[in-house]
Amino acid sequence: AQRVTQPEKLLSVFKGAPVELKCNYSYSGSPELFWYVQYSRQRLQLLLRHISRESIKGFTADLNKGETSFHLKKPFAQEEDSAMYYCALRVTSGSRLTFGEGTQLTVNP
Amino acid sequence: NAGVTQTPKFRVLKTGQSMTLLCAQDMNHEYMYWYRQDPGMGLRLIHYSVGEGTTAKGEVPDGYNVSRLKKQNFLLGLESAAPSQTSVYFCASRDGGNQETQYFGPGTRLLVL
Repeated sequence: AQRVTQPEKLLSVFKGAPVELKCNYSYSGSPELFWYVQYSRQRLQLLLRHISRESIKGFTADLNKGETSFHLKKPFAQEEDSAMYYCALRVTSGSRLTFGEGTQLTVNP
Repeated sequence: NAGVTQTPKFRVLKTGQSMTLLCAQDMNHEYMYWYRQDPGMGLRLIHYSVGEGTTAKGEVPDGYNVSRLKKQNFLLGLESAAPSQTSVYFCASRDGGNQETQYFGPGTRLLVL
């Protein structure tokens, strides 16, 4: 069965510093990977997905099949980036997402 | 569009009581999901539905039942609540295409005493 691991439960950086939220997965096939974000008192929302190869709010994530990772990166963190971030995996053509444990990012002024 | 809505927003139950959480979506989505969110454990799938009249078990289905009698509604039932079911419950829905994302509701906070 597939699994998603986010090794850092808490991550704290200063404004303007680079930030990387780690995500590793285990799945023998070719998965679809996503990052979801939950800002304080708001619902979960999609941040980005690897298929789109897009940059959202300055965040990027590259799927590394060799290392089975999908780390989320931003070169210059902003205070408004403070939120809970979840990495998620979906088996191709599957109907279910498997979520990681989540990383609470705090960007300090 | 209201998107995905959940009722109630917050509830306190005593052990052994029953309740039903309602999820409604107005996007004509085929798939609907119920998750629970617990600190350090992320979101775990309880049950899901791939269409009206169908349901399937997720990772943590024990103690819960669901029904999808209408396409727009997905009900989550707790027949006999336990303190271990204290959690935040999220509903989500998505269209049937392979690349469609899930849209989440605002969550229901449940406290079981």
